Amino acid sequence: DAGVIQSPRHEVTEMGQEVTLRCKPISGHNSLFWYRQTMMRGLELLIYFNNNVPIDDSGMPEDRFSAKMPNASFSTLKIQPSEPRDSAVYFCASSLRVGWGGGPKETQYFGPGTRLLVL
Amino acid sequence: DAKTTQPPSMDCAEGRAANLPCNHSTISGNEYVYWYRQIHSQGPQYIIHGLKNNETNEMASLIITEDRKSSTLILPHATLRDTAVYYCIPRGTASKLTFGTGTRLQVTL
Repeated sequence: DAGVIQSPRHEVTEMGQEVTLRCKPISGHNSLFWYRQTMMRGLELLIYFNNNVPIDDSGMPEDRFSAKMPNASFSTLKIQPSEPRDSAVYFCASSLRVGWGGGPKETQYFGPGTRLLVL
Repeated sequence: DAKTTQPPSMDCAEGRAANLPCNHSTISGNEYVYWYRQIHSQGPQYIIHGLKNNETNEMASLIITEDRKSSTLILPHATLRDTAVYYCIPRGTASKLTFGTGTRLQVTL
């Protein structure tokens, strides 16, 4: 299995530009998570989906951020307009949720991350 | 989710056992203890999890105290490739993981 795939791996953009990050979860997984990592705030959950439906988006910083999961094999995280404080590493993770979830077999597998720099 | 306390950093000589402690005194009965690690510039990697019994897999062993208020991750023969930040994460029925600051383990020659 190729694992969780994220693209691009690196992104440099200017303030005000739209940024789209992409994620392909592990085949067969039904939960997908977007995390952000910064030096100041560490690793924090932005949003997660179960069966392509957003379950918890309480971590999304503000309206400039949006996430979609049009099908089981693809998700996007969009920032519009981007700001320098959005500079971070963005990780996507996937897992197989069985039943009500959170059980011992629901292990999350992380992608390599996208390093975003907003100038 | 329960709060955790981990030492910010630890050193370990290559070939020796690395014992990483975690205090989770407010853990509730249905919360498992998960351990992940993050090697520099990579995504977090699952290591092991447990509820109340000690667990062992090909990567590590997990020792959970009888009162479940603390646990220790053991890497039996640490190598340079085990240098990473190790996170102890109590998790109940919620799917999400809440990462703390972790322990930065430096394995040295």
